[in-house]
Amino acid sequence: DIQMTQSPSTLSASVGDRITITCRASQSISTSLAWYQQKPGKAPKLLIYKASSLESAVPSRFSGSGSETEFTLTISSLQADDLATYYCQQYYYFSTFGQGTKVEIK
Amino acid sequence: EVQLVESGGGLVKPGGSLRLSCAASGITFSGHSMNWVRQAPGKGLEWVSSTSSSSSYIYYADSVKGRFTISRDNAKNSLSLQMNSLTAEDTAVYYCARGIGGGGSRIEAFDIWGQGTMVTVSS
Repeated sequence: DIQMTQSPSTLSASVGDRITITCRASQSISTSLAWYQQKPGKAPKLLIYKASSLESAVPSRFSGSGSETEFTLTISSLQADDLATYYCQQYYYFSTFGQGTKVEIK
Repeated sequence: EVQLVESGGGLVKPGGSLRLSCAASGITFSGHSMNWVRQAPGKGLEWVSSTSSSSSYIYYADSVKGRFTISRDNAKNSLSLQMNSLTAEDTAVYYCARGIGGGGSRIEAFDIWGQGTMVTVSS
């Protein structure tokens, strides 16, 4: 099985900050990686697929990069509405989600 | 309106069975893979099962293999998950989600999600 490890588990930042979340795969997954945002009590929402492709209607402050085993999700200017938990997902071999990164606003 | 709506959740005793359904409306269903993902209370997301657009390729997580069966009816725009031999570890919100791509043999990113249905396994 492919394990996905996200860091940090929790991140506290101020509005306007640039933040980065990292996701590491236990083996190479090429660019078969997606990022999701989940707000409390809601279903997850797709942000990024194929490691760096922005899903339609997702604000351009969200971006993804990486390949093989190391990936990042960056929010260029954090907004209050970005309070959420973020998950990475590999779909190279079956599918596995990371454990999540909770983003808090200072 | 574009939506997936899950139903069929509820309280079931350990060892029991439950069948979840997911109805699609306002979206292209037949040309896409479909998936089930679950989330235990206070926990992260766990992929459960996927089916290709024509049901030719079906995949299960090890945690549910042999107990759960995914199926779809493209004529009715519906997806199902038959869950047998349920245990407390199956307690979760179950989401259905559409695959973003052409519905072939590979699992893809999930672009449309339902609101989820809660399954509680308890005596």
